[in-house]
Amino acid sequence: GAVVSQHPSWVICKSGTSVKIECRSLDFQATTMFWYRQFPKQSLMLMATSNEGSKATYEQGVEKDKFLINHASLTLSTLTVTSAHPEDSSFYICSARGGEQYFGPGTRLTVT
Amino acid sequence: AQSVTQLDSHVSVSEGTPVLLRCNYSSSYSPSLFWYVQHPNKGLQLLLKYTSAATLVKGINGFEAEFKKSETSFHLTKPSAHMSDAAEYFCVVSGRDSTGGFKTIFGAGTRLFVKA
Repeated sequence: GAVVSQHPSWVICKSGTSVKIECRSLDFQATTMFWYRQFPKQSLMLMATSNEGSKATYEQGVEKDKFLINHASLTLSTLTVTSAHPEDSSFYICSARGGEQYFGPGTRLTVT
Repeated sequence: AQSVTQLDSHVSVSEGTPVLLRCNYSSSYSPSLFWYVQHPNKGLQLLLKYTSAATLVKGINGFEAEFKKSETSFHLTKPSAHMSDAAEYFCVVSGRDSTGGFKTIFGAGTRLFVKA
């Protein structure tokens, strides 16, 4: 079946630094990619939707200047958490849609 | 607008007894419905999906779910729980919304505990 990968699988960074998370569709082209955030013991919350070559659409309450999303190709989307703070620590999951929707394994971000 | 409600935040069963995880949904358009399982500190695994074919959907690991349009429900069942079924389960609704955009909405999740 279709595979979506994320890199890194986990990352620790210092407060104030920026972190980039990659999401790749390995064997299909994804016209749309989604980014979700999951806090401990909570559900997944959609952060933004991005279509290849256009600006991402952010959900209400998500700061677009803090969470920069780039979807430059049909197989790659990146999420950059800028000036990260401890409250940004979370599990970030991407999803790619090319017909069906497939989820990546997630990236655990810890900001110290 | 689309929404999904998982009626129980947690369910506890004994090993070998049936499992019922309840899910109700709301959607303006014909949705696709999914159940995913997430083990601790792991990613999501698709259990099963409904996409307007048969209303009784069989998934992996003995799970199945029945789409009931009249009740707007998509409950997940398994005849006999196994210890390895202990995990978090998410009901998910997916489809076009009123703006024409594609949305996937997760329920709050149900934690399944399995007692020996």
